[in-house]
Amino acid sequence: GQNIDQPTEMTATEGAIVQINCTYQTSGFNGLFWYQQHAGEAPTFLSYNVLDGLEEKGRFSSFLSRSKGYSYLLLKELQMKDSASYLCAVTNSNYQLIWGAGTKLIIKP
Amino acid sequence: ETGVTQTPRHLVMGMTNKKSLKCEQHLGHNAMYWYKQSAKKPLELMFVYNFKEQTENNSVPSRFSPECPNSSHLFLHLHTLQPEDSALYLCASSQDYGGRWSEQYFGPGTRLTVT
Repeated sequence: GQNIDQPTEMTATEGAIVQINCTYQTSGFNGLFWYQQHAGEAPTFLSYNVLDGLEEKGRFSSFLSRSKGYSYLLLKELQMKDSASYLCAVTNSNYQLIWGAGTKLIIKP
Repeated sequence: ETGVTQTPRHLVMGMTNKKSLKCEQHLGHNAMYWYKQSAKKPLELMFVYNFKEQTENNSVPSRFSPECPNSSHLFLHLHTLQPEDSALYLCASSQDYGGRWSEQYFGPGTRLTVT
């Protein structure tokens, strides 16, 4: 089968750094996406990785290791508005997008 | 404003009703998607249309019937639903299907309750 694993919930402090991990097992690989979803809202695109390494975009960075089937999303200088669910999704060799269940991130003052 | 709109935003229907969900994208994208999102479960892809042609149907029950009259509009026709079909139904679009430009833009969703 194909599956994406992420922690269900994480808690962090405002101003700190948090790393959200994602491991995947899919039939082939054609890219990995991270999306943010605030409660009651639609998911919004954060990042895309297809080659190994780190992609940085402001306070958010995403890392990929294809050999390990592993990615993480790094959030720096956390703000209260970063409280949301973070969804990891992988495109397999048939270009089907496989979604993780999401990680709910709770930011405390 | 995401460029993808969905109506209605909320829908309550009985098991014998027939209703339709509508999605419209103003982004000039070629691919459109229907998803079901239930609490604490991964997004479930239901249907994919690429250039108005259905490319995926992930074993969705026949009580859900999609329609894509053009690349900007997508419908989901509902009939004789079950209470377990209650969920958030999300529409999304992307420039292309697969690859870097398959980044998806989502609509706000329709919260469906089946009584």
